[in-house]
Amino acid sequence: GDSVTQMEGPVTLSEEAFLTINCTYTATGYPSLFWYVQYPGEGLQLLLKATKADDKGSNKGFEATYRKETTSFHLEKGSVQVSDSAVYFCALTRRVDSSYKLIFGSGTRLLVRP
Amino acid sequence: KAGVTQTPRYLIKTRGQQVTLSCSPISGHRSVSWYQQTPGQGLQFLFEYFSETQRNKGNFPGRFSGRQFSNSRSEMNVSTLELGDSALYLCASSPIPNLLTGQETQYFGPGTRLLVL
Repeated sequence: GDSVTQMEGPVTLSEEAFLTINCTYTATGYPSLFWYVQYPGEGLQLLLKATKADDKGSNKGFEATYRKETTSFHLEKGSVQVSDSAVYFCALTRRVDSSYKLIFGSGTRLLVRP
Repeated sequence: KAGVTQTPRYLIKTRGQQVTLSCSPISGHRSVSWYQQTPGQGLQFLFEYFSETQRNKGNFPGRFSGRQFSNSRSEMNVSTLELGDSALYLCASSPIPNLLTGQETQYFGPGTRLLVL
């Protein structure tokens, strides 16, 4: 079945460091891909999305490119801030009849130190 | 536009009790999905409602049920609570799914944290 695999955390970085969080997926067809972020004690916030191969999603300095050939959707940011500390979830949508459901990775905790 | 709201935010119950959680979607959104988040199992899909009809259901026992009202608000119910039901329950809403354009982005509420003692 469809699945999403993320790199294990926690990822600990110093402020202004470069961030990469790896995400690969297994799916039939061409799913849409998402990154969601969860801050402590909160729900999920949509960070970015890409709906077809070679699309690049971007938001708040974060970017991810839909790579069909490597079935990957790695999250990157050039310079992280302490406020980026959170758990990041990679997800894909699985179409079921006339609707969709999200399949999530296990999440990667990011800790940014001042 | 107001986001997805969930009530209550926190809940403590004992084993064997039942609980009802509520979700109000973003105005204009007609699809509501529910997810369970636990440290061990991560985020798992419970069910999805559209136009008051359950269209999809995840791999959960029949103790988990839900419904959707004509104003798109949704409730989920868990009967005969077990310790393992302790979790963060997240509700997500989306516009009418467009299968041609892939408008399936889901927007999440803050969640209801349920603790079963």
